[in-house]
Amino acid sequence: DAGVTQSPTHLIKTRGQHVTLRCSPISGHKSVSWYQQVLGQGPQFIFQYYEKEERGRGNFPDRFSARQFPNYSSELNVNALLLGDSALYLCASSSGGASKNIQYFGAGTRLSVL
Amino acid sequence: QKEVEQNSGPLSVPEGAIASLNCTYSDRGSQSFFWYRQYSGKSPELIMSIYSNGDKEDGRFTAQLNKASQYVSLLIRDSQPSDSATYLCAVRASGGSYIPTFGRGTSLIVHP
Repeated sequence: DAGVTQSPTHLIKTRGQHVTLRCSPISGHKSVSWYQQVLGQGPQFIFQYYEKEERGRGNFPDRFSARQFPNYSSELNVNALLLGDSALYLCASSSGGASKNIQYFGAGTRLSVL
Repeated sequence: QKEVEQNSGPLSVPEGAIASLNCTYSDRGSQSFFWYRQYSGKSPELIMSIYSNGDKEDGRFTAQLNKASQYVSLLIRDSQPSDSATYLCAVRASGGSYIPTFGRGTSLIVHP
């Protein structure tokens, strides 16, 4: 079975540009979460979607937005990129909205903003 | 503000020793606890999940949970150099959006 897939794997952008990151969850999983991880820190929560509805939003500016499609895949969009947006962006999927549901991570997208 | 605290390390242990990784959390309503391993430049992979007080063993790994003390730990027996990685503790409360909070991770180095 395919795991969580993310694209692209690496991305280089310049300040002020826009970026779209994509994620396909594990087959049968209906929840997708996005995290930002900078070097030396744990993943920081950005968004969670379940059944195409936003279930949670972390402490990130409005430049960050996301959506989930009918096939449960998801996009993370970041506008007006800043140098500080350089990080590993992780997508995690889980089967649903229960506390014991385990999140499985994709390989991530490494974004460099120059 | 829900917080998950881990010592960033590095924790250095000799091959074959027991590595003990610790995590404390602030939210008393937390119900689910996870340990992830993350190799440098890679994404986190789940090692253990634990939901009840006590110990849970899986191979060389044992997770220990004490909700009264708001403390969860991971023991790695017979540590191998391949265990060298950053270990992330994640804690999730019941109800709401079930979003886990991650600690910053503890770097483990197992030297031959």
